[in-house]
Amino acid sequence: GAGVSQSPRYKVAKRGQDVALRCDPISGHVSLFWYQQALGQGPEFLTYFQNEAQLDKSGLPSDRFFAERPEGSVSTLKIQRTQQEDSAVYLCASSQGWTSTDTQYFGPGTRLTVL
Amino acid sequence: GNSVTQMEGPVTLSEEAFLTINCTYTATGYPSLFWYVQYPGEGLQLLLKATKADDKGSNKGFEATYRKETTSFHLEKGSVQVSDSAVYFCALSDRDSSYKLIFGSGTRLLVRP
Repeated sequence: GAGVSQSPRYKVAKRGQDVALRCDPISGHVSLFWYQQALGQGPEFLTYFQNEAQLDKSGLPSDRFFAERPEGSVSTLKIQRTQQEDSAVYLCASSQGWTSTDTQYFGPGTRLTVL
Repeated sequence: GNSVTQMEGPVTLSEEAFLTINCTYTATGYPSLFWYVQYPGEGLQLLLKATKADDKGSNKGFEATYRKETTSFHLEKGSVQVSDSAVYFCALSDRDSSYKLIFGSGTRLLVRP
């Protein structure tokens, strides 16, 4: 079956531009997570949705970062006025349930480069 | 807060050697523990997991045992192959952290023929 998909796979933005990153989770998965992975580091949590409800956004680094999942399926991570420090791989993951035992399935990521 | 510490790499081994990658954790609750693998040019894949103390996760010849007394979840494989070359991430998830995964910094494994 289809896994988690993300688009675009690569995005180059000039500093100050707005970008939107899309995540299509596995069909029927209730939980959706966004992570940021800097080069040579482990992924770091950004935000979490259970269906359409954003239950945790404690990892968003600034108010320039905004995420939504309006119909409880596809999610979009938006970064306004991009800065060079936003350059990273942005990973989306989904899981069937909402417990600590549920496996999170990751998409291939979007590599964002801010010039 | 919750955290994961894993040994720094790179780890370089010859084919058929024994592998251990150390992972220890700090958690306030009763976390589930995971090992994820990232092959070159690919996304993160779950390798194995354990959801309670003394559980052993296993997959593709890799094993890890959830040790609550030592707060550890070390990854082992008896005989590595060149195709095991990748970056390995230890992670935990628990209710107190909204079920998000907290990752270690990753350990790069290079297996030489």
